[in-house]
Amino acid sequence: AQSVTQPDIHITVSEGASLELRCNYSYGATPYLFWYVQSPGQGLQLLLKYFSGDTLVQGIKGFEAEFKRSQSSFNLRKPSVHWSDAAEYFCAVGAKNGNKLVFGAGTILRVKS
Amino acid sequence: SAVISQKPSRDICQRGTSLTIQCQVDSQVTMMFWYRQQPGQSLTLIATANQGSEATYESGFVIDKFPISRPNLTFSTLTVSNMSPEDSSIYLCSVDFRGQETQYFGPGTRLLVL
Repeated sequence: AQSVTQPDIHITVSEGASLELRCNYSYGATPYLFWYVQSPGQGLQLLLKYFSGDTLVQGIKGFEAEFKRSQSSFNLRKPSVHWSDAAEYFCAVGAKNGNKLVFGAGTILRVKS
Repeated sequence: SAVISQKPSRDICQRGTSLTIQCQVDSQVTMMFWYRQQPGQSLTLIATANQGSEATYESGFVIDKFPISRPNLTFSTLTVSNMSPEDSSIYLCSVDFRGQETQYFGPGTRLLVL
């Protein structure tokens, strides 16, 4: 069965500092991987996705993620965090021609000035 | 990109009543999904709504409690029936545009059951 682990429930970083949010997945075949962001009182916005090819994917808002098959990881990074990045971030795994997305528990990002 | 809207955006309901949530997309989509996000929790898939067929429910969710309609390619409803305080959650619809294999989410409906 598919599963996603986001080991960090909360992360606090200073504005301008770099960020890395961790995501580990369990899936038998080649996974489709996603990062979504949920701002307070909002729905989920897609940041980026990985299906195949280049293992470093670029997303919106300056985010990127790297797929590492050997580590079953898909960590999200940003070189310089802005106060507006404060939100909850969800990693999710799906499958080709599949319907179901399985979400991690989420990581709440706080940005301090 | 397409616009996904949900109505109502929030509601406060009494236990024992039912609420129907609408999800509208401004373009035709093949797959629509309904998720529940309980307070402080992640998202859990309730069911997949396909046009012209019965919804497919995930383990732990039943049609009597969460009936779903999908009358056309741009619209779906989810009803939360005979509500209890445990149904207090955010309910989100998502859509998967043909060929993209990616789900895009509506803004959610915030439900509080007293």
